[in-house]
Amino acid sequence: AQTVTQSQPEMSVQEAETVTLSCTYDTSESDYYLFWYKQPPSRQMILVIRQEAYKQQNATENRFSVNFQKAAKSFSLKISDSQLGDAAMYFCAYRSGDDKIIFGKGTRLHILP
Amino acid sequence: KAGVTQTPRYLIKTRGQQVTLSCSPISGHRSVSWYQQTPGQGLQFLFEYFSETQRNKGNFPGRFSGRQFSNSRSEMNVSTLELGDSALYLCATRDPPSTGTQYFGPGTRLLVL
Repeated sequence: AQTVTQSQPEMSVQEAETVTLSCTYDTSESDYYLFWYKQPPSRQMILVIRQEAYKQQNATENRFSVNFQKAAKSFSLKISDSQLGDAAMYFCAYRSGDDKIIFGKGTRLHILP
Repeated sequence: KAGVTQTPRYLIKTRGQQVTLSCSPISGHRSVSWYQQTPGQGLQFLFEYFSETQRNKGNFPGRFSGRQFSNSRSEMNVSTLELGDSALYLCATRDPPSTGTQYFGPGTRLLVL
């Protein structure tokens, strides 16, 4: 069975600095999707970025980018120029070939002014 | 398009009671998934419905059930509530399922006393 591991329960970063959130997963599949979702305090979960496993190029969305290492089964999220509004719980998620989505336990990110 | 809506937003029940939660997907989305979110266990997948049929199911007891209507609205029901059922219940919708990207509702916070 696939698993998703986020080894950092909490992280802090100074405003305007860069932070990287880690995610590793375990799978025997070759074709899958990976996602990072953001859940601000008391607010709705939203998609930050997604990566198709067949694409070698790392996905980028404005200040958010991923480092996708397929062989290492690693999918980290880099947030550049951190802003106060980036404070949230971040979830890494994996979508399997049979269309199940597995979430990691999340990393709570604090932004220090 | 209007986003995913969930009703009610908050609910207080006592042990042994049953509860029904509702999720209305984004217009055109035919897949609805349900998750239970707790501080200790994170996001756990309950089940997914597509075109009124259950496609996938997580590892929850039979007290948790769901259904989907022809207009894609979905309900989940929890019978014989236990204290441990206190959680945020999230629904997420997508279309077509193969894109993988889910859009989440604001959740229903259930407190069981």
